[in-house]
Amino acid sequence: DAGVTQSPTHLIKTRGQQVTLRCSPKSGHDTVSWYQQALGQGPQFIFQYYEEEERQRGNFPDRFSGHQFPNYSSELNVNALLLGDSALYLCASSRLGGGETYEQYFGPGTRLTVT
Amino acid sequence: DAKTTQPNSMESNEEEPVHLPCNHSTISGTDYIHWYRQLPSQGPEYVIHGLTSNVNNRMASLAIAEDRKSSTLILHRATLRDAAVYYCTPNAGGTSYGKLTFGQGTILTVHP
Repeated sequence: DAGVTQSPTHLIKTRGQQVTLRCSPKSGHDTVSWYQQALGQGPQFIFQYYEEEERQRGNFPDRFSGHQFPNYSSELNVNALLLGDSALYLCASSRLGGGETYEQYFGPGTRLTVT
Repeated sequence: DAKTTQPNSMESNEEEPVHLPCNHSTISGTDYIHWYRQLPSQGPEYVIHGLTSNVNNRMASLAIAEDRKSSTLILHRATLRDAAVYYCTPNAGGTSYGKLTFGQGTILTVHP
């Protein structure tokens, strides 16, 4: 089992550009969440996808959007990049169970640098 | 969202027990308490979770206060590999399921 995989590992973009980050969940998982982690801070929840729909969202602007595919993989898109978007972007997968809570498995992250 | 408060840093010697506290006084009655740790250059790793009762697994133990306003992660014998940032985070159920709210976490240093 490969666990949660993310691509690319590192990315450098220019202010104003658009970026797409990709995530493949752990086998058997159907829910994907995205987090942004600035240097020295804890991860901040961006949004969560389940059954190809955005299920809940954190306090992030509409420039941040996502998608989930039928195979449960997911993309995070960020438009009109700002310098402040420079961060580690983490993908986490889990299994959505009725009434129970399950641990989330995180990928290694994509380091985005905006210049 | 429930807020958590943790010490910025703690230190331990190898082979000694470590008790990492977390205050979560605003937690709701249905929120589970999850602990994750993040080793350098890695994504967070699940450690343990609980609702009301104390919990044990192969990695650690979790002691939850009777009023659920605080909890303590216990590493019974710290190793150098346990040096990481430790986060406690409420994990809501229902429609907010899976939304983890991370604070600053506790940086644990383990001395040989």
